[in-house]
Amino acid sequence: SQQGEEDPQALSIQEGENATMNCSYKTSINNLQWYRQNSGRGLVHLILIRSNEREKHSGRLRVTLDTSKKSSSLLITASRAADTASYFCATDYDMRFGAGTRLTVKP
Amino acid sequence: GAVVSQHPSRVICKSGTSVKIECRSLDFQATTMFWYRQFPKQSLMLMATSNEGSKATYEQGVEKDKFLINHASLTLSTLTVTSAHPEDSSFYICSAADRVDGYTFGSGTRLTVV
Repeated sequence: SQQGEEDPQALSIQEGENATMNCSYKTSINNLQWYRQNSGRGLVHLILIRSNEREKHSGRLRVTLDTSKKSSSLLITASRAADTASYFCATDYDMRFGAGTRLTVKP
Repeated sequence: GAVVSQHPSRVICKSGTSVKIECRSLDFQATTMFWYRQFPKQSLMLMATSNEGSKATYEQGVEKDKFLINHASLTLSTLTVTSAHPEDSSFYICSAADRVDGYTFGSGTRLTVV
């Protein structure tokens, strides 16, 4: 079974709002990654957070990691219509993916 | 950043023929590459893990004789769909392990078997 599980499966927000999606995993990890996939395209690596980090920022993205709860969250601030995509997490333990979170940002 | 080139991006083939998909790491060496399959509106399903110089490790339920994987060099892995059938039509994506950025994905190959 897959290591990373994203929640919620679908999220619809208005442009300018923040979007938060969560990821839970099962085993000890060295790092966790978040990816974005636009429809019919490959995955784009967004951010990697290591097990000794609790929070990481990259532009409008903020990722947190709680190793005690085996969970991570991805926050996209001031969302844009171009952020509409599916978002996935994966760990270095294995590269299996969950169902992802399908984010829709309405203009 | 790391770049993975996947080719072709689209291919249409006739039933019974074989199709080869290439995955190249352009500016880094990848001892491990992964092959995924994705159906419309579904997540990526890991098919196999490809290790340079050794046999690929296939996920349960993936036919190794159907999906041949060759990782002959540190920058190239290939997936050959043998005797393709319409049910093999799908989006295939590769990724390579980059020590700095994690994993880098190719842009995918859309296979249509007619």
